[in-house]
Amino acid sequence: DAGITQSPRYKITETGRQVTLMCHQTWSHSYMFWYRQDLGHGLRLIYYSAAADITDKGEVPDGYVVSRSKTENFPLTLESATRSQTSVYFCASRAGTLNSPLHFGNGTRLTVT
Amino acid sequence: GQQVMQIPQYQHVQEGEDFTTYCNSSTTLSNIQWYKQRPGGHPVFLIQLVKSGEVKKQKRLTFQFGEAKKNSSLHITATQTTDVGTYFCAGLGTSGTYKYIFGTGTRLKVLA
Repeated sequence: DAGITQSPRYKITETGRQVTLMCHQTWSHSYMFWYRQDLGHGLRLIYYSAAADITDKGEVPDGYVVSRSKTENFPLTLESATRSQTSVYFCASRAGTLNSPLHFGNGTRLTVT
Repeated sequence: GQQVMQIPQYQHVQEGEDFTTYCNSSTTLSNIQWYKQRPGGHPVFLIQLVKSGEVKKQKRLTFQFGEAKKNSSLHITATQTTDVGTYFCAGLGTSGTYKYIFGTGTRLKVLA
């Protein structure tokens, strides 16, 4: 969906470097999520946010940091990248009603060498 | 914590054959959503089930939610090459959380 964009689309970084993945949505959705996708594991939730300045850990939060100072942005930072963080990262957002569907960005393919 | 498993992990079918994927949660769900991800793409919402025993249809796709609200299935009748992709279920727990936990996905390949 054009309303949620991720950048960059592809990123190669070295072990130990800090890298930030960006996510921006134009719908003013309350909720935003970060998932990682690895073969055999499906989509695993890293962090999520219910509103600006409200974030919470998902299933696999270790090694990641998030912030949400504005409703439309939800950056994900790998403080010191490791090879195990090589993955495809998807950002998603949804409206405030409980049964609203998730809208995903196009993903960021991250390779840590 | 809540876990959602899907079987099978992979399925190859001849075009025209039927396909079913099953989703099982370790806990009772508030609702369940289904998504489709085409190769190289991102997950796209298909449908949501909320009520116990609910059945919904979208053309050749039939979705069911179990009576205990712990399992669900997606059945595709007479598959077509356009059905290729990975199908995910995503469950929302009943504990007041707003996070959806995804199943491991079923990758469908349709042979023409």
